[in-house]
Amino acid sequence: GDSVTQTEGLVTLTEGLPVMLNCTYQTIYSNPFLFWYVQHLNESPRLLLKSFTDNKRTEHQGFHATLHKSSSSFHLQKSSAQLSDSALYYCALSDTNAYKVIFGKGTHLHVLP
Amino acid sequence: ETAVFQTPNYHVTQVGNEVSFNCKQTLGHDTMYWYKQDSKKLLKIMFSYNNKQLIVNETVPRRFSPQSSDKAHLNLRIKSVEPEDSAVYLCASSQDWGGSYEQYFGPGTRLTVL
Repeated sequence: GDSVTQTEGLVTLTEGLPVMLNCTYQTIYSNPFLFWYVQHLNESPRLLLKSFTDNKRTEHQGFHATLHKSSSSFHLQKSSAQLSDSALYYCALSDTNAYKVIFGKGTHLHVLP
Repeated sequence: ETAVFQTPNYHVTQVGNEVSFNCKQTLGHDTMYWYKQDSKKLLKIMFSYNNKQLIVNETVPRRFSPQSSDKAHLNLRIKSVEPEDSAVYLCASSQDWGGSYEQYFGPGTRLTVL
């Protein structure tokens, strides 16, 4: 079946260092949509960015990700972490004709001063 | 204000009781969802409604029953709660069904079953 894998449960790094959160997926969908949702403490998830175009970089609020269909990946990156980036990040998968979105297990990002 | 609203914010109850949660969206969306977020923060879809019609019903125990009176409202009833039902229940909406649309989440209802 369709699935999303986020290998890191927790990523801890120092402010100013680059961020990379891994996301790979398996799907039968021919035109998958990939998403990153972010959930800050005591808040609900909200969309950070999404993509369906192969090999095209998508950016929002300093974060970027590129969908690579050849490797089934959609890693989230940022050049310099900020304390306010500390949150739970979900990678998610869907398709134009899908009735639902499948979420990965989430990665906690903890940015230290 | 346009958003997704949920009531109550939290609920504490005993095993075997019945509970109901309400969700309303003022975004004008056609599709609404119920998700369960457990203590490990796993986010799993339970139900999806499009224009008050059920379109997704995941493998959820029968004690869970959703209800939609119109496309802006989606409720969730749990007939006889069990300890494993303790979780945050998130309501969400999207412009339409189909996975390309952004989902907008409500603040959640935290259920604790004693």
